[in-house]
Amino acid sequence: SAVISQKPSRDICQRGTSLTIQCQVDSQVTMMFWYRQQPGQSLTLIATANQGSEATYESGFVIDKFPISRPNLTFSTLTVSNMSPEDSSIYLCSGEGGDTQYFGPGTRLTVL
Amino acid sequence: AQSVTQLDSQVPVFEEAPVELRCNYSSSVSVYLFWYVQYPNQGLQLLLKYLSGSTLVESINGFEAEFNKSQTSFHLRKPSVHISDTAEYFCAVRGLNAGNMLTFGGGTRLMVKP
Repeated sequence: SAVISQKPSRDICQRGTSLTIQCQVDSQVTMMFWYRQQPGQSLTLIATANQGSEATYESGFVIDKFPISRPNLTFSTLTVSNMSPEDSSIYLCSGEGGDTQYFGPGTRLTVL
Repeated sequence: AQSVTQLDSQVPVFEEAPVELRCNYSSSVSVYLFWYVQYPNQGLQLLLKYLSGSTLVESINGFEAEFNKSQTSFHLRKPSVHISDTAEYFCAVRGLNAGNMLTFGGGTRLMVKP
């Protein structure tokens, strides 16, 4: 299994600002993903973070709003840009090892 | 493409009673199946998974799930629940030969009452 940590664990931000969330995996994983969990909802995949190349975004998510980096096999960042209250969610990072995805503890974002 | 339906959004149950959380999926290819648990204000933890082999899989804390291919189901059961089992439970499916994407159900909130 993989142990995944995220920073920050939570934040309160002002409308129009940006926040970068960091995700660290304790071992090399082939795939890393970013999910959003809106209040009271299930998880929605934002994108697959590709090492050394542009992320692959799901329908409804764009790079300008959610830029993602993955400089190596164990680290990735997600930026939530030009935030609005609708971006208030939990953002979760996951890493895949052995056909199983393991999740970080999430970052709880509140946008005022 | 895959889809997952968790039929119950909330399941209230008394402590020490049995519980079943239902999960049905749809897929045109073979699948891997997962149950994740999310305790209040925490991230997702893997509870158990079916990849291949025995259709009955168990977790270390007494939960079990059975893969039923004919009924396309992967229901989660526990014979006797504890207060500490109160959490949100998510069923997820990954289609083989369909990339690494996980598709999640809507979640079931298990509420264990004393």
